[in-house]
Amino acid sequence: DVKVTQSSRYLVKRTGEKVFLECVQDMDHENMFWYRQDPGLGLRLIYFSYDVKMKEKGDIPEGYSVSREKKERFSLILESASTNQTSMYLCASSLGMIHYGYTFGSGTRLTVV
Amino acid sequence: DQQVKQNSPSLSVQEGRISILNCDYTNSMFDYFLWYKKYPAEGPTFLISISSIKDKNEDGRFTVFLNKSAKHLSLHIVPSQPGDSAVYFCAASASTGNQFYFGTGTSLTVIP
Repeated sequence: DVKVTQSSRYLVKRTGEKVFLECVQDMDHENMFWYRQDPGLGLRLIYFSYDVKMKEKGDIPEGYSVSREKKERFSLILESASTNQTSMYLCASSLGMIHYGYTFGSGTRLTVV
Repeated sequence: DQQVKQNSPSLSVQEGRISILNCDYTNSMFDYFLWYKKYPAEGPTFLISISSIKDKNEDGRFTVFLNKSAKHLSLHIVPSQPGDSAVYFCAASASTGNQFYFGTGTSLTVIP
C-alpha cells in the first residue's frame, strides 16, 4: 500500500524555535507538497517540489522554507516559529501534476506556545 | 482570493437520505476536479474525480456532477451512512497548471 509518512502526529514548540517537519513517501513520486489546514480556510499550499532540489512557493510561503535533498523526502522548516503557525500541516505527493491526484500523509498538529 | 469555494461549512443529514455537497469555482481554466474526504486527525483521502469532458462520474454511492457553464460541481452521497461523517474538500486544477486549489471544506454529519 502506498504511503506518505509524516514523522510526528503532534508537536508542541516554543515561539522562536526552529522547527522541522519531515515527510517521506515510498511511491517514487516526483512531486511533493506541503499544505496547512485551518478552520474556515481549507487547505492552503505552502511550498511544493517537482524534483530533487527544486522548490516553488505556494500561496503562503512566508515564514517557511523547504528542503528536498532526496526524492522520497520533503522537509518543511519553520525558521522561527510563531503562534500564528499553530496549525495542522499536511504533506502530499503525486506521480504527475494533475491527473493522478495527491496522496496525503496523516498530518502533523503543531502547536506553538 | 479563494478560487474554489464551498459555501456551506456544515451539513446534517439523516441516515439513508441523500447528502449533497456543493462547490463553486471562479477560474474558467480549471478542467479537473477532485473530492477528498477527511476524518479528524487523519490526512485527506481521495474520493472521486471528474474531468471537464464529462458532466457526471459515479462510483458506488458517490456521484459527482459538473456544470461547466455555472462553474459548479456537487457531490451526491446516496444513501448516506454514519461512516460518511467527515469533512469533504473539493479541489480544482487546470491541465496546464501545477497545483490543485482546495475549497474550505464542508463538515458532513450523518445522523443515525
